[in-house]
Amino acid sequence: NAGVMQNPRHLVRRRGQEARLRCSPMKGHSHVYWYRQLPEEGLKFMVYLQKENIIDESGMPKERFSAEFPKEGPSILRIQQVVRGDSAAYFCASSRAPTWGDTQYFGPGTRLTVL
Amino acid sequence: DAKTTQPPSMDCAEGRAANLPCNHSTISGNEYVYWYRQIHSQGPQYIIHGLKNNETNEMASLIITEDRKSSTLILPHATLRDTAVYYCIVRSLTDSWGKLQFGAGTQVVVTP
Repeated sequence: NAGVMQNPRHLVRRRGQEARLRCSPMKGHSHVYWYRQLPEEGLKFMVYLQKENIIDESGMPKERFSAEFPKEGPSILRIQQVVRGDSAAYFCASSRAPTWGDTQYFGPGTRLTVL
Repeated sequence: DAKTTQPPSMDCAEGRAANLPCNHSTISGNEYVYWYRQIHSQGPQYIIHGLKNNETNEMASLIITEDRKSSTLILPHATLRDTAVYYCIVRSLTDSWGKLQFGAGTQVVVTP
């Protein structure tokens, strides 16, 4: 039973480039959450998506960041024109539904380094 | 802001039980207590969760006080591989879409 998959595991970008991070949820899960962990800091919620819908993006930076979860394929977190402050570990989690007691399971993360 | 308070660090001897406390004095009736851990910057790993009853699984036990204002995670026989940051999280499923709010957690170091 495969867990949450994320790729790439490591991504290096130069300032001004675009970064695309992919997340494939666990089988049977249709809800995806993205979290960011800046160096030496805790994990912070970014966005919650269901298939084809963004439900809660209250944690997303207002500019340059976007997320999608299409009907087919993985969820994508996209960062345009990256800056050094975007260097962080990005984790996604999936669940069946945020009903009472439903659990989020995390992927291994993508570590983004901006040069 | 996180709704929980945890000690920043604790040590535990290998083979002994590790008891990790968590205060959540403002918890409301529809909020669960979740525990996750993060081993050396890996993805957070789910451990256990509960509402008001004590819970046990193959990894740990969760003891929740009767007033629900605090809880304790028990790792019955700590191993070196249990060295990690442990997060106690109060999770609301009705007003925040179930998102997890991580605090600083407790850095647990298991020593030989």
